[in-house]
Amino acid sequence: DAGITQSPRHKVTETGTPVTLRCHQTENHRYMYWYRQDPGHGLRLIHYSYGVKDTDKGEVSDGYSVSRSKTEDFLLTLESATSSQTSVYFCATTGTGGYEQYFGPGTRLTVT
Amino acid sequence: AQRVTQPEKLLSVFKGAPVELKCNYSYSGSPELFWYVQYSRQRLQLLLRHISRESIKGFTADLNKGETSFHLKKPFAQEEDSAMYYCALYNAGNMLTFGGGTRLMVKP
Repeated sequence: DAGITQSPRHKVTETGTPVTLRCHQTENHRYMYWYRQDPGHGLRLIHYSYGVKDTDKGEVSDGYSVSRSKTEDFLLTLESATSSQTSVYFCATTGTGGYEQYFGPGTRLTVT
Repeated sequence: AQRVTQPEKLLSVFKGAPVELKCNYSYSGSPELFWYVQYSRQRLQLLLRHISRESIKGFTADLNKGETSFHLKKPFAQEEDSAMYYCALYNAGNMLTFGGGTRLMVKP
């Protein structure tokens, strides 16, 4: 499991509120990713990080921001949650030179 | 732009029947392709990658550059194969592009 945990595992929030999801890894992997999983769309990349304080946008970054102040933590923030952001969010990591991505258990977010 | 297409959202077969999960890709370079699997209540995990040419849990996948396909096959499906399967294409910069996924249901 590459020591990847996500918190919270489940969250229900109201439209318009900010939400922060946390991904924590113990493998000292350089690269970290946030995906959302939706039926019919598979996994879509939201943001990724290639080092501390180094982040970039993915395919579906609108409405999301990220921060990485330590190697082990990668935070995903929904600045003002909307119902379209109801989804399952997965964090993943990979080491330098590696192809395989290791995934966290996921966070199920419901925006009402 | 790179793209991965899995045309079947759901594939239902009987135990012991052959299985083929389709994956097509578009990529201008030399592709690196993977199959990931997500069993019920488990996290996504790598099943196999094309360059290793391994058979994992009886599954194989052959890269066909002419048809730009990377279909996943198993000659005799088992109930424990029931899961969500994702085809993925490696991009420069350590990123993966995933297909939409295929849910495989193996009926007894």
